[in-house]
Amino acid sequence: DAGVTQSPTHLIKTRGQQVTLRCSPKSGHDTVSWYQQALGQGPQFIFQYYEEEERQRGNFPDRFSGHQFPNYSSELNVNALLLGDSALYLCASSLPHRGAYGYTFGSGTRLTVV
Amino acid sequence: DQQVKQNSPSLSVQEGRISILNCDYTNSMFDYFLWYKKYPAEGPTFLISISSIKDKNEDGRFTVFLNKSAKHLSLHIVPSQPGDSAVYFCARVQTGANNLFFGTGTRLTVIP
Repeated sequence: DAGVTQSPTHLIKTRGQQVTLRCSPKSGHDTVSWYQQALGQGPQFIFQYYEEEERQRGNFPDRFSGHQFPNYSSELNVNALLLGDSALYLCASSLPHRGAYGYTFGSGTRLTVV
Repeated sequence: DQQVKQNSPSLSVQEGRISILNCDYTNSMFDYFLWYKKYPAEGPTFLISISSIKDKNEDGRFTVFLNKSAKHLSLHIVPSQPGDSAVYFCARVQTGANNLFFGTGTRLTVIP
């Protein structure tokens, strides 16, 4: 049973560029949440998608946007990249009735902005 | 507003001894507190949780204590094993929300 799959595992982008990160949820899960973990910090909630809609959003600017597809997979898009966007981006999937209590995390995408 | 704090960035413990990881919080409107363990190049994995109405929850070598008057929770690992070496995050689930608020983590090193 595959867990949460994220791609790519690493990437390097230049300041001002745009990036798309991808996440496939665990089998049977239909809710996807995205977190940003900066160096030396704990993960911070970006947003959550359920039924192809953004259900909840954390304190992140509009440069961060997302999408969920009918197969429950999700994308995180970041526009106009800043050096401060360098971080590990974690995707977590869950069942809606479990909320954050039932998260399964992926291994993350390490984004470096130069 | 950081509502869960882990003030110790690192902890070293001898194998077989007890590891105690601490977390403080500033707000009591929670359903659950959770502990996650994270190895390098892996995502956080759920370890143990405690409801805000309980004082203690135990699962094998892991016990979490909640001191509501002090707004403090702790994770005890007994006995500590080298495989327990990882970063441990405490997190809370806010009432009515679906997202976790994480602390900054404590890196535990268990020395063989």
